[in-house]
Amino acid sequence: DGGITQSPKYLFRKEGQNVTLSCEQNLNHDAMYWYRQDPGQGLRLIYYSQIVNDFQKGDIAEGYSVSREKKESFPLTVTSAQKNPTAFYLCASSIATGLGGYTFGSGTRLTVV
Amino acid sequence: QQQVKQSPQSLIVQKGGISIINCAYENTAFDYFPWYQQFPGKGPALLIAIRPDVSEKKEGRFTISFNKSAKQFSLHIMDSQPGDSATYFCAASGDSGYALNFGKGTSLLVTP
Repeated sequence: DGGITQSPKYLFRKEGQNVTLSCEQNLNHDAMYWYRQDPGQGLRLIYYSQIVNDFQKGDIAEGYSVSREKKESFPLTVTSAQKNPTAFYLCASSIATGLGGYTFGSGTRLTVV
Repeated sequence: QQQVKQSPQSLIVQKGGISIINCAYENTAFDYFPWYQQFPGKGPALLIAIRPDVSEKKEGRFTISFNKSAKQFSLHIMDSQPGDSATYFCAASGDSGYALNFGKGTSLLVTP
C-alpha cells in the first residue's frame, strides 16, 4: 500500500544531542513537508521541499535542518540549537505544493529527557 | 502570524446534532481550502476540500460552506456521531509553491 512511513514512533533525546527523524514515502509525490504539532498550536511548518535537492524554510525552521537527496526521503534533524524540541512531528507529502491534499504520516513524538 | 484563524477551540455536540467549525483567512491568493480530521496519536487525514469557484461542497455528512467575499469557510458535520470525536483542522494554500497554512484546530466531542 502507498503511504508515508515515519520512524521511530517515539524518540527520547538528551539535552544537547542532535536527533534525526525519518520520513519515507512511496506515493511518487514531488513535495514533502515537516510540521510540528503542540497542544493548542495547530500544525506549524518547519521545512518543505518541492523537488529533490531543494527545500525552503517554513515558519519555525530555527534549530532544525533537512535534506532531500532522494524523492522518497525527507529526514528532519532536530539540532541542539532547538530550545524546546519536545513535540509531535508530522511528515506529509503531496503531488506538488499548492496542488491537492496532503498525505500525512503517523508522526514521531520526540521527548527531551 | 496566523494566516488561518479557526474557531471554536473546542466543541461538544450531542449525537445526531450538527457540528459547525469556522475558519477565516486573510491572504486573497489562497485558492485551496481543505479540512483534516485527526485522531489521538495519528496523523491528520484529508476529509474534504473546496476551491473558491464553488460556494458549497458536500460529501456524505460533511459539508464545506465557502464565502469568498467574507474570506471565511466552515465545516458542517450533520448527524454527528461519537465516532466523529476528533480534532479538526482547516487549512489554506495558494499558488504553486505555497505550503498549507493550518488553523489551530478544534477538538470535537460528540456525546452519546
